[in-house]
Amino acid sequence: NAGVMQNPRHLVRRRGQEARLRCSPMKGHSHVYWYRQLPEEGLKFMVYLQKENIIDESGMPKERFSAEFPKEGPSILRIQQVVRGDSAAYFCASSSSGDQPQHFGDGTRLSIL
Amino acid sequence: TQLLEQSPQFLSIQEGENLTVYCNSSSVFSSLQWYRQEPGEGPVLLVTVVTGGEVKKLKRLTFQFGDARKDSSLHITAAQPGDTGLYLCAGEDLANSGYALNFGKGTSLLVTP
Repeated sequence: NAGVMQNPRHLVRRRGQEARLRCSPMKGHSHVYWYRQLPEEGLKFMVYLQKENIIDESGMPKERFSAEFPKEGPSILRIQQVVRGDSAAYFCASSSSGDQPQHFGDGTRLSIL
Repeated sequence: TQLLEQSPQFLSIQEGENLTVYCNSSSVFSSLQWYRQEPGEGPVLLVTVVTGGEVKKLKRLTFQFGDARKDSSLHITAAQPGDTGLYLCAGEDLANSGYALNFGKGTSLLVTP
């Protein structure tokens, strides 16, 4: 999983704070996907982005969550005013194009106090 | 969201035994991926199957995609302790959910020496 880099690996926030999760795709990949893994649940798709564009955000909660993938720099998943239910492992994947296999990072474990 | 059911949920076997795990759905998928995930890490892609009836082999692992592209199986021959992990199947349905992967909850495999 060394190719897709996520940071931080662990993030602790208090209720009401903001959480920012970063993802740098594998070299040569311009497609990024974010998934959330809740305890005892499978990975759930959240959002699919290409450089500077959101392609599919059908799995993203309508409020407090946003994602971006700027021309320069990593993709960012931002959660505003975090609540306890946001505690989960957030995984980023990347691919060279939409129809190519997705390769995952090691995730960010978000804990809300 | 298409449901992927994986069975068994847990499997504990001894080194040298053979095993098969299953991934079933009522939906047709454009392709299906198998990943292995270890604690604290992200899923690692093992194989992608695309054609109904397709069989792919990866050393001691044999993957099969059902003729109707609704189900898949993973067979491990002579399991080793290094095979221990969470095996996830993920389906892609280009017509309905685009490039978002739908994951099953996984089969947790423990191989003891």
